[in-house]
Amino acid sequence: DVKVTQSSRYLVKRTGEKVFLECVQDMDHENMFWYRQDPGLGLRLIYFSYDVKMKEKGDIPEGYSVSREKKERFSLILESASTNQTSMYLCASSLELAGDNEQFFGPGTRLTVL
Amino acid sequence: AQKVTQAQTEISVVEKEDVTLDCVYETRDTTYYLFWYKQPPSGELVFLIRRNSFDEQNEISGRYSWNFQKSTSSFNFTITASQVVDSAVYFCALSEGNTDKLIFGTGTRLQVFP
Repeated sequence: DVKVTQSSRYLVKRTGEKVFLECVQDMDHENMFWYRQDPGLGLRLIYFSYDVKMKEKGDIPEGYSVSREKKERFSLILESASTNQTSMYLCASSLELAGDNEQFFGPGTRLTVL
Repeated sequence: AQKVTQAQTEISVVEKEDVTLDCVYETRDTTYYLFWYKQPPSGELVFLIRRNSFDEQNEISGRYSWNFQKSTSSFNFTITASQVVDSAVYFCALSEGNTDKLIFGTGTRLQVFP
């Protein structure tokens, strides 16, 4: 049973803080993804990674960076949090680069930046 | 450009009614994949179905059915005899190339009242 876990369900940070969101998957998946979900906008891809130390920008990478030092872990970093980064953040993983693999999602982290 | 449109923002029905969620997509790829995900109040997206561009057969799974029509670029989802547990946000998504990257629609919130 694939499991994707995220370090926090809820997080409150202050403007300017450095924020780390952690995601771990336990099924040896090659691909991992970070999305943010906002009302009326659906899910938008921030970054994805198709291998350890490999990353590609998604549709809205500005203000974010990522790290993938181990296959099972994919971290999203907000270098200097801003109020417009208040959102729900969802991590996902999929088996390999193929186009038809379903993504498995974590429960999400609701981040509030004050 | 690839795009997924879910024009219905919110739908409310009474239990046992049938309901159809619309999804229209745009792509220039000849090979692509379409997905439906369910996001219950708990927040975690759950995979429902995947369909490739060469398979236009409709699919039925219990009370759920999907109608894929390439001629109208639509991949609609019908719930028959809806139940309160069907209340969720439903997302349609399109897979981009062979990367497993998904382009999501903005989602349709379905509320089923007893």
